[in-house]
Amino acid sequence: SAVISQKPSRDICQRGTSLTIQCQVDSQVTMMFWYRQQPGQSLTLIATANQGSEATYESGFVIDKFPISRPNLTFSTLTVSNMSPEDSSIYLCSVEDPRTGFGEQFFGPGTRLTVL
Amino acid sequence: AQSVTQLDSQVPVFEEAPVELRCNYSSSVSVYLFWYVQYPNQGLQLLLKYLSGSTLVKGINGFEAEFNKSQTSFHLRKPSVHISDTAEYFCAVSEGTGNQFYFGTGTSLTVIP
Repeated sequence: SAVISQKPSRDICQRGTSLTIQCQVDSQVTMMFWYRQQPGQSLTLIATANQGSEATYESGFVIDKFPISRPNLTFSTLTVSNMSPEDSSIYLCSVEDPRTGFGEQFFGPGTRLTVL
Repeated sequence: AQSVTQLDSQVPVFEEAPVELRCNYSSSVSVYLFWYVQYPNQGLQLLLKYLSGSTLVKGINGFEAEFNKSQTSFHLRKPSVHISDTAEYFCAVSEGTGNQFYFGTGTSLTVIP
């Protein structure tokens, strides 16, 4: 199964600044997903990122606030822009591993973001 | 869009007792079903999955789940829990490869010594 790492693991940021989160996979994958987990809540999909195309955002999420890059088949970044305390969450990336098939997703350890 | 309901937000249970965590989903179309576990300050780890075939699925750490199509349920069970099972458990549904996952709100399992 795919092994996923994220950087940073956690950060404390000031209001109005931006943070870029990196997601690295140990194998080539087509589809990568970015989720947000707000305190005490479940996971909500932010966007789907396929290599070579624009990310597809879910309702309530926009590219200006959460720009995503997907430069190759093993890497993606999510930027949280112009942050406010409401952006304090855990941000997770996940991938579908074509070696396992069947739409199973593997998750990174998450980036715990606190905005002051 | 799918809707996933985890009826119990918190489940306290004594060590070595059995436990069942309930999950219901909304759609009657063909779906893939998953249970993930999230230990404190960690990411999500797959416990088990149902894709097709036998409705009773066995996963890691002694957990199992049963798919019931008529009741659109996928309840998670363990006959005897350990302290180390204390974690957040998420049920998730997917309509197939390339489709997003829909997560339930999670069930916090606390095992009491």
